[in-house]
Amino acid sequence: EPEVTQTPSHQVTQMGQEVILRCVPISNHLYFYWYRQILGQKVEFLVSFYNNEISEKSEIFDDQFSVERPDGSNFTLKIRSTKLEDSAMYFCASSEMETYNSPLHFGNGTRLTVT
Amino acid sequence: DQQVKQNSPSLSVQEGRISILNCDYTNSMFDYFLWYKKYPAEGPTFLISISSIKDKNEDGRFTVFLNKSAKHLSLHIVPSQPGDSAVYFCAAPPNAGNMLTFGGGTRLMVKP
Repeated sequence: EPEVTQTPSHQVTQMGQEVILRCVPISNHLYFYWYRQILGQKVEFLVSFYNNEISEKSEIFDDQFSVERPDGSNFTLKIRSTKLEDSAMYFCASSEMETYNSPLHFGNGTRLTVT
Repeated sequence: DQQVKQNSPSLSVQEGRISILNCDYTNSMFDYFLWYKKYPAEGPTFLISISSIKDKNEDGRFTVFLNKSAKHLSLHIVPSQPGDSAVYFCAAPPNAGNMLTFGGGTRLMVKP
C-alpha cells in the first residue's frame, strides 16, 4: 500500500538555526498537510496546501514557517529560526480530496529537538 | 482549544472483551468525525468515520456511535485483540476545509 514518507526521522538542531523537514506524499494525492504534536499534548494542525498554494493555516504557522513543493514529489516544511518550543513530532499527511471526502494518510513523523 | 475532548487518557481491557472509547465535542457545527489509531513511532492511521446524518457506522470489529444531542461519540471494538493496543484519537474538521481538530487521545491496552 502506498505510504507517506518523511525524512529525517529525527533532527536535532540548535536554537536559531533553520531546519527543513521533508515529506514525499502519496503520488496521486492532491492535498498536503503538516501537523505537529508536542510531547504530551494534542496533535495540532499547522497548514494545508493545494494546487501549489497554502489553503489554510493555523495561528501556530507564523512567519517563521514556510512550506514548499519544490518538485513533483516532495513537500517540505521550513522553520526559519528554530525556538526551543518548536521541539515536537512533525507529521506530514496527504489526501486525495478534501477532508470531508477523503481521510488523511500520515507519515511516521520527524522528531525535531531544538537545543 | 477544547473543542474535541477525550476524557479518559487510558483504558485497559481483557482480550476478547469490548473496548469503548469516548469522545465529546463542543462545536455544534461539527458534522463529520473520524477516529485515528496511532502506534508508537508511527503516524496516525485512519480507522473509521461517521457523518452527522448517521448515528452509527460499522466496519468489521469497529463501530462508531454518534449522539448529536449529547455531542458525544464513541468507538466500540469487539472483540478486542492485543494488536489493538494503541493510542486512539477522535478528530473533526471544524469547517468545510481540511483542518482537523484532534482530541487528546486515549491509550488502549488490551491484555492477553
